[in-house]
Amino acid sequence: TQLLEQSPQFLSIQEGENLTVYCNSSSVFSSLQWYRQEPGEGPVLLVTVVTGGEVKKLKRLTFQFGDARKDSSLHITAAQPGDTGLYLCAGVRASNYQLIWGAGTKLIIKP
Amino acid sequence: GAGVSQSPRYKVTKRGQDVALRCDPISGHVSLYWYRQALGQGPEFLTYFNYEAQQDKSGLPNDRFSAERPEGSISTLTIQRTEQRDSAMYRCASSLAPRLAGASYNEQFFGPGTRLTVL
Repeated sequence: TQLLEQSPQFLSIQEGENLTVYCNSSSVFSSLQWYRQEPGEGPVLLVTVVTGGEVKKLKRLTFQFGDARKDSSLHITAAQPGDTGLYLCAGVRASNYQLIWGAGTKLIIKP
Repeated sequence: GAGVSQSPRYKVTKRGQDVALRCDPISGHVSLYWYRQALGQGPEFLTYFNYEAQQDKSGLPNDRFSAERPEGSISTLTIQRTEQRDSAMYRCASSLAPRLAGASYNEQFFGPGTRLTVL
């Protein structure tokens, strides 16, 4: 069974601070996706990382895929209240393209 | 264009009743997924379809849960003899045919969900 462990589960920090969210697995994924979910809405895709070691940037968000394609991280620089939300990682299973979801990180940025 | 729609948005039912939750995916999307999601948690996989074929139903909790997608478009998730523990947000998502879009891409587009409350 493929599992994707996401940490931390909850993070509350002040505006302007930096933070990192981690997703780890013992299994290899063909790619890994990061979604963001706001209250009352469904998850929305932020980015997909495909190649081992790949780094993608989305404004103040930096996503990295581990060299072995088993883990990934999301780093937010100078967090803002608008970054508040539930961040979810999802690994794409190579055999059937199903997504294996992490449990989510609830992020609160206080002004 | 229209996104994924789900109906009803809210459903309150009494224990023992059957409920049917509907999902209308994005037009042309081959894959359709059903999830259950607790507040502040990641989606819990229930089942998915490619076209009208149910590919994996390993996430369905028990035989009271079933799903169908008879014409490869709209899907219905049915819960028979509902129990209070079935109360949850049920979300549907659709995606393009991953095998055509590329082996590594499977962006899922989510609907607004159906909030089911079993009294």
